Amino acid sequence: DSGVTQTPKHLITATGQRVTLRCSPRSGDLSVYWYQQSLDQGLQFLIQYYNGEERAKGNILERFSAQQFPDLHSELNLSSLELGDSALYFCASSVGGGTGYEQFFGPGTRLTVL
Amino acid sequence: GESVGLHLPTLSVQEGDNSIINCAYSNSASDYFIWYKQESGKGPQFIIDIRSNMDKRQGQRVTVLLNKTVKHLSLQIAATQPGDSAVYFCAENTHNSSGAGKSTFGDGTTLTVKP
Repeated sequence: DSGVTQTPKHLITATGQRVTLRCSPRSGDLSVYWYQQSLDQGLQFLIQYYNGEERAKGNILERFSAQQFPDLHSELNLSSLELGDSALYFCASSVGGGTGYEQFFGPGTRLTVL
Repeated sequence: GESVGLHLPTLSVQEGDNSIINCAYSNSASDYFIWYKQESGKGPQFIIDIRSNMDKRQGQRVTVLLNKTVKHLSLQIAATQPGDSAVYFCAENTHNSSGAGKSTFGDGTTLTVKP
């Protein structure tokens, strides 16, 4: 158990819908990262937050957004869902916001878009 | 564009043998590299990392080698055990002016350990 929790574990929804994925980092970690893992694209970095502020951006679509709250939990919002958004979404956390800090991954949320 | 690739998608070894998993990267500006292990149904797990100012780093039963000349990274697992069976990813990091990093992952190598 990494100490990072993600809810829900599974999510099934329809195209065009909007969903919110939730992540609670390890106690004491200030940084949260979101990743998407799909069969055809592999593991891709989406976005990072550090102490409530956006820190780095990766291959995140405009239909997706995220935020980190004062209690440091984070939410990833996915809207206008398409079939291709079906994937595993992982959250990770680390103590610091720069490189060199070990990231601890949560168990993931499996999103299925029908 | 940036890409991190693994030479072999699958690797099968006998229990007790040493395993070597390879990775090629293309961004010469990458300055930090990480190996992750992902077991079925779980999230990736950090194994070992190395900075670009080093060429070798050892952990417990694992060693990472970095060859910046040919942009090659490898993970060596000594005395491979059945519990080592998993998908292994390498990741390269570049960082922006504020120090934040952006990770690019390879496709993964599935390691199977035969008893």
